[in-house]
Amino acid sequence: EPEVTQTPSHQVTQMGQEVILRCVPISNHLYFYWYRQILGQKVEFLVSFYNNEISEKSEIFDDQFSVERPDGSNFTLKIRSTKLEDSAMYFCASRATGGREKLFFGSGTQLSVL
Amino acid sequence: SQQGEEDPQALSIQEGENATMNCSYKTSINNLQWYRQNSGRGLVHLILIRSNEREKHSGRLRVTLDTSKKSSSLLITASRAADTASYFCATDGGNTGGFKTIFGAGTRLFVKA
Repeated sequence: EPEVTQTPSHQVTQMGQEVILRCVPISNHLYFYWYRQILGQKVEFLVSFYNNEISEKSEIFDDQFSVERPDGSNFTLKIRSTKLEDSAMYFCASRATGGREKLFFGSGTQLSVL
Repeated sequence: SQQGEEDPQALSIQEGENATMNCSYKTSINNLQWYRQNSGRGLVHLILIRSNEREKHSGRLRVTLDTSKKSSSLLITASRAADTASYFCATDGGNTGGFKTIFGAGTRLFVKA
């Protein structure tokens, strides 16, 4: 079965540094998402992306966050100035045409902000 | 918020027993989905039930949906140790537009061998 690929699997950074989390969605999918999960807690929606623009974003997704699909295959999440509370598992997901169908998740990037 | 909320938060059963997890949500939906997450891993889709469906089966999984009560249940029959995982319900908005899927807090299921 096709997979969503995320890199790196682990990222350690210092507070205030910028990080870029990378994702390669499934090739024929058109809807892309970032979620995060703080250890042991719920999976929180961050942002959805369709047709090269953000379609929805949550309150968490403030000006420190941005997403990009630079080359038609990669989908990135940038955190400009990381805070301790940004430490979490970040999941990328995609879904096929038509929306409102099942999401395919990557295996996540564990971000640790020190 | 249209978030699904599961109960119980945690469930511990013996192998061979059935496990039932419940989910409630707040707003109208197009569909409701259940996902599974093994510890530290990504979520895997299990089953989707549309708002005009009442029950759906997939292998040992049975999902029900009651839109009048805004609730759903996931039943895993004849559980196995390998079913140990967290289970999340997720809803897609009804008339909000966009296509975001919102997850509940999850039920941690532990199946003892």
